[in-house]
Amino acid sequence: EDKVVQSPLSLVVHEGDTVTLNCSYEVTNFRSLLWYKQEKKAPTFLFMLTSSGIEKKSGRLSSILDKKELFSILNITATQTGDSAIYLCAVGGTGTASKLTFGTGTRLQVTL
Amino acid sequence: DAGVIQSPRHEVTEMGQEVTLRCKPISGHNSLFWYRQTMMRGLELLIYFNNNVPIDDSGMPEDRFSAKMPNASFSTLKIQPSEPRDSAVYFCASSFRQTLYNEQFFGPGTRLTVL
Repeated sequence: EDKVVQSPLSLVVHEGDTVTLNCSYEVTNFRSLLWYKQEKKAPTFLFMLTSSGIEKKSGRLSSILDKKELFSILNITATQTGDSAIYLCAVGGTGTASKLTFGTGTRLQVTL
Repeated sequence: DAGVIQSPRHEVTEMGQEVTLRCKPISGHNSLFWYRQTMMRGLELLIYFNNNVPIDDSGMPEDRFSAKMPNASFSTLKIQPSEPRDSAVYFCASSFRQTLYNEQFFGPGTRLTVL
């Protein structure tokens, strides 16, 4: 059974801090790892990672995948209150016909 | 593009009543997913369809839950009879199966409260 574990479960930081969110996984025939951001509504897509060692960046957010050690990290630099959300990690395998397995998420709160 | 459309956005019902949630996937997408999200269990996959055919319903909690996809543009998730523990946010998501990398697009969700 595919499994995704995220840490920490929750995090409170001050605006301007840098945070690192972790995601480890076990999946049959890995295809992709995805990060989503969820505020008070539906999850919205952030990144898709398929290859080890290649950093994806979008503004202050970046992510990287290690397929040997089976984990990914999501970094947020110079955090802002608008970054407060639940960050979800999900993995998909080639044998699961586009099915994703989600972690329980990391709840990030950025305070002034 | 209208994105994934779900209705209703909020539903409050009494225990024992039937509840039907509706979803319209993004046009051209051929995979559809129903998820349930609670504080305790996070985001759980209930069932998914490829080309209108149910592929994996192992996440459906029990026989009170059923899902259908009569055509490529519509799906329903039905709970009968509903119970208070079914209270959650139910998301529908869709994707294009032939893409390599599994990206799914989520609807706004239906917040269900069973009293």
